[in-house]
Formats: sequence, structure tokens, C-alpha cells
Amino acid sequence: NAGVTQTPKFRILKIGQSMTLQCTQDMNHNYMYWYRQDPGMGLKLIYYSVGAGITDKGEVPNGYNVSRSTTEDFPLRLELAAPSQTSVYFCASSYTASSGSFTDTQYFGPGTRLTVL
Amino acid sequence: ILNVEQSPQSLHVQEGDSTNFTCSFPSSNFYALHWYRWETAKSPEALFVMTLNGDEKKKGRISATLNTKEGYSYLYIKGSQPEDSATYLCAPYGNKLVFGAGTILRVKS
Repeated sequence: NAGVTQTPKFRILKIGQSMTLQCTQDMNHNYMYWYRQDPGMGLKLIYYSVGAGITDKGEVPNGYNVSRSTTEDFPLRLELAAPSQTSVYFCASSYTASSGSFTDTQYFGPGTRLTVL
Repeated sequence: ILNVEQSPQSLHVQEGDSTNFTCSFPSSNFYALHWYRWETAKSPEALFVMTLNGDEKKKGRISATLNTKEGYSYLYIKGSQPEDSATYLCAPYGNKLVFGAGTILRVKS
């Protein structure tokens, strides 16, 4: 199993450009997440999904969009890149039974380092 | 959103030293406490999940305790080795997982 994969590894964008960060998992996990990590800060949740066709906002969703058309893929879209979106982005997934999710371990991808100039 | 504090921010120890660090979180609306280890150039990996007051988990030289009444968890590393160098993240679960900023541990040989 490859686990959680993310592409690209690195990207430099100009202000106002758009891009999609790709995330794929092959563990048949139902939950998927997008986080951003800024220096000296914890991982901040951007969006999450509890299954195909269902997404919800996290703590810092502004400036981002997501979709979940399949169990495996959870792309994150930046429509109008801004310098404040310079960060390292991590995708994660977990398997969560219907009874609850508070003990479920999240599995992380390798991250995408994005710089907006 | 839970406010999670980890201390110290960073720690430099010699090989063989034992060390510990703290995760503090609001004790209300709490369901579980996760610890992750994050090595440089890698992804965070789960260490422990704890739910009950007084819970204690151990994996090799690393152990963790949980006090849900006062809202803290300790992570202990006995006889630190250079391969223990990493950032250690704690994440309490209220209605979602909320990560602290982490404690950076560097072990010198």
C-alpha cells in the first residue's frame, strides 16, 4: 500500500494564480482531511470529508475549496492564491466507524510545500 | 475550538538523558488525547491515543499519561537516543482533533 500520497511536493505560485493540490489514499478510509502547517503553529484543519460526496469546513477554510467524488481522492483547490496561503499542506485519512471518530488514528501524506509570491 | 498548549517549545538533550514534556488542554468537552511523532522530512505518525483519566500508554522507551480532570498529558522518553529527535504533537479531540504546536526534541550523541 502506498498509503496517502500528495502531489506536487513543491510549488511556487504567483498572487492570483490558482492550483489544485492532489491527495489520494489507497487504504479505503472513509474520512479525509486537509491541514496547513505554518511555522510555530499546530496543524490547522482546512476542510474534511466523511465520505464521497460529503465535505465540511474546518477551522481555516477561507480561500480554499474541496470536492470528494471518490473514496480515494480529496483534492484541495486554491482559486486566487495569496501570500497568506504560503504554507505546508498535509492531507490525512482515517477509517471511522459510524459510532464515532475520537480514537481513530489519522494517516498523513508527505506534504506539499506551497509558496505564493 | 480547543486551545492546546505544549511545553517546552523545544528541548535539546544528550544521548541517554530522560526527558518529558507537557500538553495542556481544556478539560471540558474532551473525548480523547492523541500523541503524534513527526520526524524531519517525514509525515506525522501516531504514537498513542488515550481516553480515560489516569490512562497510561507505553511503546518501548516512550510512555504517556493522561489527566482529564485537570486537562494535561505528559510524554516521557527514557534514555533518549538520536533517533528520538522529532517534533512531538499532541491533539485532544473535542468535536474534532485539534493539534498543538508541538515540542521539538533534539538528542545529541
